[in-house]
Amino acid sequence: EAGVAQSPRYKIIEKRQSVAFWCNPISGHATLYWYQQILGQGPKLLIQFQNNGVVDDSQLPKDRFSAERLKGVDSTLKIQPAKLEDSAVYLCASSLPGIYEQYFGPGTRLTVT
Amino acid sequence: AQKVTQAQTEISVVEKEDVTLDCVYETRDTTYYLFWYKQPPSGELVFLIRRNSFDEQNEISGRYSWNFQKSTSSFNFTITASQVVDSAVYFCALSDMYSGGGADGLTFGKGTHLIIQP
Repeated sequence: EAGVAQSPRYKIIEKRQSVAFWCNPISGHATLYWYQQILGQGPKLLIQFQNNGVVDDSQLPKDRFSAERLKGVDSTLKIQPAKLEDSAVYLCASSLPGIYEQYFGPGTRLTVT
Repeated sequence: AQKVTQAQTEISVVEKEDVTLDCVYETRDTTYYLFWYKQPPSGELVFLIRRNSFDEQNEISGRYSWNFQKSTSSFNFTITASQVVDSAVYFCALSDMYSGGGADGLTFGKGTHLIIQP
C-alpha cells in the first residue's frame, strides 16, 4: 500500500513570494491533516479535513495560509505572501474514519530567505 | 486546552542500556488517545503506538514497552537493550475524538532526542 505522498520535497523562496504544497493521502483515508514543524519543535496542526470539509482550522493563519481538498482526495496548502518565520517542514497526514492513528508523509522543507 | 510535556530534551546512552522517555499530558476530555511517534534522521514520522484513555493496560512490543498511568497523566516509553538504530527524536502526542467519530488533530510534545552510542 502506498504511503502519503507529498511534493515538492524541498522549496526555497524569498519572503513575500507565494508557494504551494501538494499532498495525496493513503487510498481510502477520508481524514487529512496539515502540520507545520519548526526546527526543534513538535508538529503543530494547521488544518484538518474530513473528506472535502474543514473540521478544524483554528490554528491556520488565515491572512496568509489557505488550504483546499476539492474532491476529497488530494489537498493543496498555499502560503501567500511568505514570511521568514514560515520556514519549516510542512507535513501531511491521513487516517481512516474511526481509526485514530495518523500516517505521515515525508514532508516539504520550506526555506524562506 | 491540551498540552503534552516531554521534559527530556536530549538523552544519550550507550548501546544495550535501557532508557525511558517521559511524557506528561493535560486534557479536560474524558475520552482521549495517546500516541508515540519516532522521527529518524530521514525526517518521516513513524507511528509506534496508540493508547485509549479507558485502557490502562501496559503494552510490550519486542524491546519497546509503554506505561500509561491516568492517575499521574503520564504515558512513558521504555526501550530495553537499546540499539544504535533507535537513535531518533521521539514524540508523544495527544488527540481527542471529534463529533464526526474520527480523531482530532494531534497535539505533540517538543520531542526527546535519543542518542544511542555504540
